[in-house]
This record gives sequence, C-alpha cells and structure tokens, in this order.
Amino acid sequence: AQSVAQPEDQVNVAEGNPLTVKCTYSVSGNPYLFWYVQYPNRGLQFLLKYITGDNLVKGSYGFEAEFNKSQTSFHLKKPSALVSDSALYFCAVRAFPGGYQKVTFGTGTKLQVIP
Amino acid sequence: DAGVTQSPTHLIKTRGQQVTLRCSPKSGHDTVSWYQQALGQGPQFIFQYYEEEERQRGNFPDRFSGHQFPNYSSELNVNALLLGDSALYLCASSLEVRTPGDTEAFFGQGTRLTVV
Repeated sequence: AQSVAQPEDQVNVAEGNPLTVKCTYSVSGNPYLFWYVQYPNRGLQFLLKYITGDNLVKGSYGFEAEFNKSQTSFHLKKPSALVSDSALYFCAVRAFPGGYQKVTFGTGTKLQVIP
Repeated sequence: DAGVTQSPTHLIKTRGQQVTLRCSPKSGHDTVSWYQQALGQGPQFIFQYYEEEERQRGNFPDRFSGHQFPNYSSELNVNALLLGDSALYLCASSLEVRTPGDTEAFFGQGTRLTVV
C-alpha cells in the first residue's frame, strides 16, 4: 500500500518570505512524486514531479521540491511567496509496477500568504 | 489543444437516484482515472480505465461503475445515491507508458455533485 502524509493542515506565510509545505510518503518500489495545486471550486493543476535524477526539482510558478529518499520526504518550497500562491496544495505518490497510474494523494495543505 | 473536460459542472440529485458523469481526456491521452474529493479532503481514487477496461479500482462499492469508449472518453455512473456521495468528482487523463519519465496526470475541473 502507498500513502502520503501532509502533516500541516494550514501554513501561513508573509508575502515575500520563503515557504515550505511538507510531505512524506510511503511506497513499495520507486516513488514517483507529484505536487498539485487547487484553487477554490477548481480541479487540480500540476506543479512539478520527481521521477528520477536530481533531487531538487523545479516546477511551475517558481515552485521547487526536494526529494529526500532517506527521510522519505518531498517538501514543496518557494523562495518568495506571493499572495496569489494562496491555495490548497496536494502531494501525491505513485509506485510504478507494470505501468499503472494509480496516484495516492495526501489530505492537502492550505497555504495562506498574508500581504 | 483542449485539456480534460468534464460535464456537467454541477449537478443536484435526490437520494436513491442514479447519475452519470462524463469526461473527455486531453488530446493524445489514453488512460482515464476517476477520483472523489469530499469537502476538505484529498482526492480518493475510484477506478482507472485503459483500453476500455477497468484496470484498477479503489475502495468504492459496486454502486460506482464506469465505462471507457473507443475514443478514450469515459463515464462514471453512481447508482442508489447516498447523501455521502456528495463530492467533487475529478477525472484525470494520462498517457500509458511503461518506462520512467512518463507524464503526470492532467485533471479536469470536476463535477460538483450534491445529493439531497
């Protein structure tokens, strides 16, 4: 079984400050890791993914995430937060046996950027 | 290039009724997955269709069924609706690959189902 934990229901950060949204995972086999963002009453938008290679992954809108295999973590980061970054963020994991694409999501972290 | 489209956007049904939700995948994608997102929760995997067959299924009762058509579009059917079925239903499409470096799933805007 695979699972994702997002330990913080909400993260508050001042505009211009760096932000971190935490994610840890559990999976059998190689982890494929994803971050998605969801605005109110909308679907999920892809931000970035880790498949293999460099542990630091850069994605859309200035976001990046660091894969740490020993800590089984994939924290989302941004050097300088914008008010428009306020949204719900989901971490997701998928193992890759046989080409299946089942993705398991965390419960989400609400990011509030304070002007 | 159209992304993933879902219809309808909103729907209100009465307990015990049946509902059908529709999804057209992103151009070039051949795999469709359905998720249920209850208020304040993360998306929960319902099932996935590939080559017109259900390939994987999450922990959902048989009241939830689906179909994929030759053009890769898909339907989600829910019978005997319960109040607890009220949620945002998300469709995600992807391209079936078997090697690392595969694509992420692209999500539609979702269908908001309210059961009264």
